[in-house]
Amino acid sequence: EIVLTQSPGTLSLSPGERATLSCRASQTVSSSYLAWYQQKPGQAPRLLIFAASNRATGIPDRFSGSGSGADFTLTITRLEPEDFAVYYCQQYGGSPWTFGQGTKVEI
Amino acid sequence: QVQLVESGGGLVKPGGSLKLSCAASGFKFRDYYMNWIRQAPGKGLEWISYIGSDGTTISYADSVRGRFTVSRDNAKNSLYLQIYSLSAEDTAVYYCARDYGGMDVWGRGTTVTVSS
Repeated sequence: EIVLTQSPGTLSLSPGERATLSCRASQTVSSSYLAWYQQKPGQAPRLLIFAASNRATGIPDRFSGSGSGADFTLTITRLEPEDFAVYYCQQYGGSPWTFGQGTKVEI
Repeated sequence: QVQLVESGGGLVKPGGSLKLSCAASGFKFRDYYMNWIRQAPGKGLEWISYIGSDGTTISYADSVRGRFTVSRDNAKNSLYLQIYSLSAEDTAVYYCARDYGGMDVWGRGTTVTVSS
């Protein structure tokens, strides 16, 4: 199975700053089938990015995804107060699907 | 509106069984792959299983294969997860999610607690 490793584990930033989150796969993710999710306490995850760089419906343009092969990045250009949450990457290019362990973005 | 609602969770003794359900509404359920994902208390997301739109394509995580069975009834717009031989490690919130280039619609989850 494809193991996804996210870094850093925790990112401490202030509102207005830029956040850069990394997701590295143990092997190439086929067709860049990689997604990013945001999860806030007590809530279900929300899809942000699919196919590495495509924003899901209703996602603000301060969120962007990039990367290919085995290295992927989620960038939040200017953190808003509501962006402080846990972020997960997930690959769906090869069965079984797998998630990374998450990156917490904290104030 | 597009919605998924899980049910069937609860307190179960070790070794017991449980069947979770996920009711879909607001979209053409029969056209989509569906997933089950779980999250243990204070932990990350763990993908468990997916099932294809017609129920013939199925995949499981290694950690649950042989104990979990996913199924669907497109006539009832429902997804199911049968869980056998429960242990404390299965304690988690169980989510169902629609698969469409990533998991774009999620339910609120149902909580399974395994304890004697």
